[in-house]
Amino acid sequence: QQQVKQSPQSLIVQKGGIPIINCAYENTAFDYFPWYQQFPGKGPALLIAIRPDVSEKKEGRFTISFNKSAKQFSLHIMDSQPGDSATYFCAASGSRLTFGEGTQLTVNP
Amino acid sequence: DTGVSQDPRHKITKRGQNVTFRCDPISEHNRLYWYRQTLGQGPEFLTYFQNEAQLEKSRLLSDRFSAERPKGSFSTLEIQRTEQGDSAMYLCASSLATSPYEQYFGPGTRLTVT
Repeated sequence: QQQVKQSPQSLIVQKGGIPIINCAYENTAFDYFPWYQQFPGKGPALLIAIRPDVSEKKEGRFTISFNKSAKQFSLHIMDSQPGDSATYFCAASGSRLTFGEGTQLTVNP
Repeated sequence: DTGVSQDPRHKITKRGQNVTFRCDPISEHNRLYWYRQTLGQGPEFLTYFQNEAQLEKSRLLSDRFSAERPKGSFSTLEIQRTEQGDSAMYLCASSLATSPYEQYFGPGTRLTVT
């Protein structure tokens, strides 16, 4: 059973655009919600994470918005750059990570 | 380089053969995780260790899979009698027990079963 659902599957934006990736979870026992970025041939790398008692967290150009009552959270990438082209995974953490299916982001120059 | 390392990076094997992968975590991390990732999917949890103790195993981890972390440092993942469905990227990650969401991943071992 997929416990973290992620959308869209793929996303194409122009440089400077603001891609938004959405995730929904089911298990209210999750206690941390990280986002990972993965480039081809590499392992995922932690980008930013949020606790469920916080509604928004910003680090550089990356912002997580969290809606606890709706059990949803999203990643916004401000002023996106071609170097941001990668696959992004949301995840939910208990003792281990449960990942979403991933979003392949392409930022065109 | 003090990141997570995995060996080998690629492995091609024939169906029915046994394979073993190694993971060396970040030295101060006491938790070590194994995940499997297939094309176009997110990593799926297999098992994790805290020090040398294996604390959790996924139902995905069939009897053909076994993992060890004998001295609480490096870990091995063995797959016996490989099947074509085992073809995937096997990822290792490590973290501190106090920050299980902050996992650092290795580059993975890509297994192809022919």
